[in-house]
Amino acid sequence: QSVLTQPPSVSGAPGQRVTISCTGSSSNIGAGQDVHWYQQVPGTAPKLLIYDNTNRPSGVPDRFSGSKSGTSASLAITGLQAEDEADYYCQSYDSSLRGSVFGAGTKVTVL
Amino acid sequence: QVQLQESGPGLVKPSGTLSLTCAVSGGSISSSNWWIWVRQPPGKGLEWIGEIYHIGVTNYNPSLKSRVTISVDKSKNQFSLKLTSVTAADTAVYFCVRAPPPLPPQPHSDYMDVWGKGTTVTVSS
Repeated sequence: QSVLTQPPSVSGAPGQRVTISCTGSSSNIGAGQDVHWYQQVPGTAPKLLIYDNTNRPSGVPDRFSGSKSGTSASLAITGLQAEDEADYYCQSYDSSLRGSVFGAGTKVTVL
Repeated sequence: QVQLQESGPGLVKPSGTLSLTCAVSGGSISSSNWWIWVRQPPGKGLEWIGEIYHIGVTNYNPSLKSRVTISVDKSKNQFSLKLTSVTAADTAVYFCVRAPPPLPPQPHSDYMDVWGKGTTVTVSS
């Protein structure tokens, strides 16, 4: 069972907006630790998508956005495209475990 | 542009030791970064194994701490992972990763910005 909780799957039609939640606790997100998001196309390495809750690395489309509030964070994908089909993971630091923790991942399906 | 490349045996016997190396190119292992190992069992999610700072400070996943050692070889510009007493549960794709130093400075990594392609390790007799 992951320290960070994500929905197993979300889906949407092309052009729609989908959101992925990442719920933590008082020892990670709720303690003010930053949340980061990764995109993983099956068979490839994860790619940094959002860092420090809201920031996009160079080259990441602005269709991807992140937010954080309380003990949770969210990743939003607007204008969903076929190429967005992938697994998405949130990550943060947990002060009780003294290490990085990942969510179990959310599979995004474009209908 | 920093690139990372994992290498090591693809098959390890149960109770043996898994040893992997990550070669760093396009940058120095001595730069102010955290160097991390992450693994992904077949069909499952990502698991942080541990990390080392360029000056040798290490942090390990508590669930693996008794079996893991991460080290840096500055002369070869690479870092390594050793995992002892392996079982089938250690079968996974192993990724080496870079994390830039967090700001403000903290005794642990923050986000992971450069990933190796990963190497598959199977534990089987």
